[in-house]
Amino acid sequence: EAGVAQSPRYKIIEKRQSVAFWCNPISGHATLYWYQQILGQGPKLLIQFQNNGVVDDSQLPKDRFSAERLKGVDSTLKIQPAKLEDSAVYLCASSRTWDEQYFGPGTRLTVT
Amino acid sequence: TQLLEQSPQFLSIQEGENLTVYCNSSSVFSSLQWYRQEPGEGPVLLVTVVTGGEVKKLKRLTFQFGDARKDSSLHITAAQPGDTGLYLCAGASGTYKYIFGTGTRLKVLA
Repeated sequence: EAGVAQSPRYKIIEKRQSVAFWCNPISGHATLYWYQQILGQGPKLLIQFQNNGVVDDSQLPKDRFSAERLKGVDSTLKIQPAKLEDSAVYLCASSRTWDEQYFGPGTRLTVT
Repeated sequence: TQLLEQSPQFLSIQEGENLTVYCNSSSVFSSLQWYRQEPGEGPVLLVTVVTGGEVKKLKRLTFQFGDARKDSSLHITAAQPGDTGLYLCAGASGTYKYIFGTGTRLKVLA
């Protein structure tokens, strides 16, 4: 079974530029998560989808971050415009049952 | 706001030593998970504990969920260099929603 795929793996942008990350979850997993992990810290949930509907986006900075999951499969997370403090690893995870999460390798974003 | 504090934050030990990592909160969780994350990779699930007082073993790793379901511990016996990584606990505040702890970075020296 293929794991969670993410791209790109690394991205360097200047502040005020925009960037997009892509996630392809494990086939059949209805729940998809985007997390932000700042160096040395635990992941922080940004948004949670159930199929193509948003379950929780309470910690998503909606003035600059947006996410969508069209057709309930792939998902895209966008930042526009980026700030220095957005430098982090962005992790995508998916699950089929409540007691598991499978993570992708993450996208390391550096904002200069 | 629910918080999960892990201790210690950093731990460097010699191969063969035992260690315990703690995960504490003032909130009650319906379940708790432990993950290990290696550099450049996403976290990998090690175990899920559900019942207060529950103990689970995974080879040399022993996980315990506190009786009140507010805390958990991870004990590693005879640590090996392959155990090196970032250990994360994650508490469930509802089904499918997890809050991650601050992390414990473990380095096992050969």
